[in-house]
Amino acid sequence: EVEMLESGGGLVQPGGSLRLSCAASGFNFSTSAMHWVRQVPGKGLAWVSGISASGRNTYYPDSVKGRFAVSRDNSKNTLYLQMSSLRVEDAAVYYCAKGVSTLATINSFDPWGQGTLVTVSS
Amino acid sequence: EIVLTQSPATLSVSPGESATLSCRASQSVYSNLAWYQQKPGQAPRLLMYGVSTRATGFPARFAGSGSGTEFTLTISSLQSEDYAVYYCQQHNAWPLTFGGGTKVEIK
Repeated sequence: EVEMLESGGGLVQPGGSLRLSCAASGFNFSTSAMHWVRQVPGKGLAWVSGISASGRNTYYPDSVKGRFAVSRDNSKNTLYLQMSSLRVEDAAVYYCAKGVSTLATINSFDPWGQGTLVTVSS
Repeated sequence: EIVLTQSPATLSVSPGESATLSCRASQSVYSNLAWYQQKPGQAPRLLMYGVSTRATGFPARFAGSGSGTEFTLTISSLQSEDYAVYYCQQHNAWPLTFGGGTKVEIK
């Protein structure tokens, strides 16, 4: 069974840093593009980052570019999101998600983890 | 950035009736459009990809159509488990973007 379990969320002050992890199992992690998507509770979805299967290529929207860094350890089947210079508006549930196609990083997402909550507040 | 506009924001439908959800893109995404279903307290779940291919576990009463900039998700004969929020997402160009969602509620 495909499973992804996020961890690392919590309360952080504005300007602080946090690292999220996503432990994956049940599929060939090293051949799968992976993504992070966030959702403010009660609001819509926003893509946060994507990384190719090898880890060589990463992608971000302008809203987080230069502040967030996605990485992966294929030997540990784990995806990471290093978040720095956090802002109040970064507070959300962060989901990791597997790319549907193995042919490209640009993708739809299936499945999703259950998410980890990040709160940014002083 | 490709903006996806979903309408309506809320759709009130009686059980057994049909629902038609719309997703409009600010520029062509060709057939690179997916739909997700999200129920309260749960992660989103892929419903449809490549415009009209149903993901595993979803019945044939869900149908996707469209191309370019106009897309439709039709749910025929709504069941109790179909009441949820539905999002469209384009994967034609970076950054990947989602529509604002349509909530399908019980009438």
